[in-house]
Amino acid sequence: GAGVSQSPSNKVTEKGKDVELRCDPISGHTALYWYRQSLGQGLEFLIYFQGNSAPDKSGLPSDRFSAERTGGSVSTLTIQRTQQEDSAVYLCASSPEYQETQYFGPGTRLLVL
Amino acid sequence: AQSVTQLGSHVSVSEGALVLLRCNYSSSVPPYLFWYVQYPNQGLQLLLKYTTGATLVKGINGFEAEFKKSETSFHLTKPSAHMSDAAEYFCAVSPSGATNKLIFGTGTLLAVQP
Repeated sequence: GAGVSQSPSNKVTEKGKDVELRCDPISGHTALYWYRQSLGQGLEFLIYFQGNSAPDKSGLPSDRFSAERTGGSVSTLTIQRTQQEDSAVYLCASSPEYQETQYFGPGTRLLVL
Repeated sequence: AQSVTQLGSHVSVSEGALVLLRCNYSSSVPPYLFWYVQYPNQGLQLLLKYTTGATLVKGINGFEAEFKKSETSFHLTKPSAHMSDAAEYFCAVSPSGATNKLIFGTGTLLAVQP
């Protein structure tokens, strides 16, 4: 079946612009996660959605970062007023309810000039 | 707070040699433990995981790992390296009993020499 998909695969933007990154989880998966992979910080958790529960936003690095999940499926990660330190690969993962394995998408590579 | 330590950011082995990638975690209670592999320009793929039960777990591509509570370790091994094993390997933990965020180690880049 189809895996987790992310778009765009690459995004180049200018400092100060807003960007939106999209994640389509595996159909039927209730949990969705965003992670950031950067040279300086490694793999970091950003945010977690589980069904209709309030999301766990504890990993968001600043208030410029936000995410939403519409209809319990597609999620969008928004970065406002991008900075050069936001340059990273943003990975999305999903998992079935009450299961511990997370399935990762290919990531979006963001470059802020 | 939980943390994961991977000893050796770069490991190089010869084709056919034993692969040993080290992972230690710190946690007040045994967490769920995972090894993921990442090939260049790709996402993460699960190699294996430990949740409960048998402490020696087998994964894909001939890899296995053993959970040792007394040593707080979850080292990854493969008896004989193949060129296709060259990739970056990440150890991760998550709080037991909850599907929650993964805490990753810094990764080990495995090179396989012919």
